[in-house]
Amino acid sequence: DVKVTQSSRYLVKRTGEKVFLECVQDMDHENMFWYRQDPGLGLRLIYFSYDVKMKEKGDIPEGYSVSREKKERFSLILESASTNQTSMYLCASSILRADTQYFGPGTRLTVL
Amino acid sequence: AQKVTQAQTEISVVEKEDVTLDCVYETRDTTYYLFWYKQPPSGELVFLIRRNSFDEQNEISGRYSWNFQKSTSSFNFTITASQVVDSAVYFCALSDPHNNAGNMLTFGGGTRLMVKP
Repeated sequence: DVKVTQSSRYLVKRTGEKVFLECVQDMDHENMFWYRQDPGLGLRLIYFSYDVKMKEKGDIPEGYSVSREKKERFSLILESASTNQTSMYLCASSILRADTQYFGPGTRLTVL
Repeated sequence: AQKVTQAQTEISVVEKEDVTLDCVYETRDTTYYLFWYKQPPSGELVFLIRRNSFDEQNEISGRYSWNFQKSTSSFNFTITASQVVDSAVYFCALSDPHNNAGNMLTFGGGTRLMVKP
């Protein structure tokens, strides 16, 4: 079974803090993805990575950066958290770019 | 551009009723994949099924069945004899296997299913 884990289920941060969200997958998948999910807006792709140290912007990359130093780990970084980044963050991985994505449990981030 | 529409934003049924979740998609590609995911209240998206555009056979898995109709660009999902544990948000998604850039999966807006005891 594919296993995707995220470092925290719930996180509360203050405006201006630097926030790291970690995602780890154990299936040697090439591709990893970060989404945010907001009521009424569905899932929106922030960034994805197709290889170690490689990344591409998704639909809403502003205010975020990512890091992929190892194949199994993909980090989402909020350089200076803002209240409008309060959201549910979902990480996913897949073998091929357009194939089945397997999701982690999600991190509910609240920025105060 | 690809698009997935789930016109039903919310459905409420009583346990043991059958329920169908609609999914209509738009794509110019002849080769594509279609998916269904389930998101229970815990938040994790759980993969349910992937369908290749060349395979129009309907699929049944226990109480779940999927009806893929290329002629109407629809990939509908039916739950037979619904149970309270089926309460979740269900997402339909579409991908182009030849697309090596941009958004890999195009998700619909989701349908919230509430099954009441």
